[in-house]
Amino acid sequence: DAGVIQSPRHEVTEMGQEVTLRCKPISGHNSLFWYRQTMMRGLELLIYFNNNVPIDDSGMPEDRFSAKMPNASFSTLKIQPSEPRDSAVYFCASSLGGRVNTGELFFGEGSRLTVL
Amino acid sequence: DAKTTQPNSMESNEEEPVHLPCNHSTISGTDYIHWYRQLPSQGPEYVIHGLTSNVNNRMASLAIAEDRKSSTLILHRATLRDAAVYYCIPQRTGGFKTIFGAGTRLFVKA
Repeated sequence: DAGVIQSPRHEVTEMGQEVTLRCKPISGHNSLFWYRQTMMRGLELLIYFNNNVPIDDSGMPEDRFSAKMPNASFSTLKIQPSEPRDSAVYFCASSLGGRVNTGELFFGEGSRLTVL
Repeated sequence: DAKTTQPNSMESNEEEPVHLPCNHSTISGTDYIHWYRQLPSQGPEYVIHGLTSNVNNRMASLAIAEDRKSSTLILHRATLRDAAVYYCIPQRTGGFKTIFGAGTRLFVKA
């Protein structure tokens, strides 16, 4: 099993540019999560999907952030326009989900974003 | 969501046991207790979880207080590779929101 795959691993961009982060969850997992990690705020849950449907996006910081899950094997997190304060490591995680599942998450290696 | 309290940091010697405490006094009756750890420059990884009984796996043991208001993650013989941030997280069965607190940073001395 390849695990959760994220790309790019590193991204350096200039303020105002659009950034797209990508995630491929573990095959068969039906829940997907996007987290952001900074030194100041720790690990923050941005949004999560169940069966490709966004369930809770209350953690998305503002309208500049959007996330999609067009199918069970792919999700994107987009920032447009990007700002220096968006610099962070963005993690994607997947889980089996479901009523009887106890919810263990499997994380990708993260995408480190630097906005200059 | 149940709140958790963990020490900011702990230190251990290599090959000695480590007991990482977590207070979760507001936990609900159906919440499992999950532990994750995050090694440097990596994403968090699942360690162990339990509901009421003590649990063991190849990585660690989890001791849960009888009133479920606290739990302890036990690493039986710490290695340098166990140096990480350890997170204790109450998680509702079938619940999807896994909220990470600040965790405990474990330092392991050779």
